[in-house]
Amino acid sequence: DTGVSQDPRHKITKRGQNVTFRCDPISEHNRLYWYRQTLGQGPEFLTYFQNEAQLEKSRLLSDRFSAERPKGSFSTLEIQRTEQGDSAMYLCASSLGTGSSRDEQYFGPGTRLTVT
Amino acid sequence: DAKTTQPPSMDCAEGRAANLPCNHSTISGNEYVYWYRQIHSQGPQYIIHGLKNNETNEMASLIITEDRKSSTLILPHATLRDTAVYYCIVRSNTGKLIFGQGTTLQVKP
Repeated sequence: DTGVSQDPRHKITKRGQNVTFRCDPISEHNRLYWYRQTLGQGPEFLTYFQNEAQLEKSRLLSDRFSAERPKGSFSTLEIQRTEQGDSAMYLCASSLGTGSSRDEQYFGPGTRLTVT
Repeated sequence: DAKTTQPPSMDCAEGRAANLPCNHSTISGNEYVYWYRQIHSQGPQYIIHGLKNNETNEMASLIITEDRKSSTLILPHATLRDTAVYYCIVRSNTGKLIFGQGTTLQVKP
């Protein structure tokens, strides 16, 4: 049973560096979501893709953040010029994207980013 | 997007039913109520969802009031492994999930 996978699981970087995270969704899932979670808070929506199209971006996604999903398969989330406030758990989720009621999202284990 | 209100924490004795309440008074007619839980340092796990009718699966039951302004998640026989943060979410039409701070459920032996 292959669930959502994320790589790396942990990343420590120095302020000002660029980082890139990868998410591999469940096979045949058309929708892919990115969320961010800081300590003690619930996950916050960042952006989502329907196949390769990025359909919605949160205002939390500043211009230092960019996400891609080439060919509608895996996705990458890049953060440029990292700041200490970017330290968080970055979660990826995928769903069938059928638009029906049975469209639950399945989450990966997350990438924990620490900016020093 | 509809917001939800949950108690910050609850305790439950192992083997007893855990009843987790949620208020979503601003929910729209076509918005679904979803429940997820998150065990420490893991990604959220889907539990159950519903629109109007009560729902049951192998993990839990979901009771939605007739006016849809509140719901209750029921774990029929709580175990220590059910200790987690439980999120009640009203899913937006675009599919994104708007999480609140959830309820921390502590199951005690």
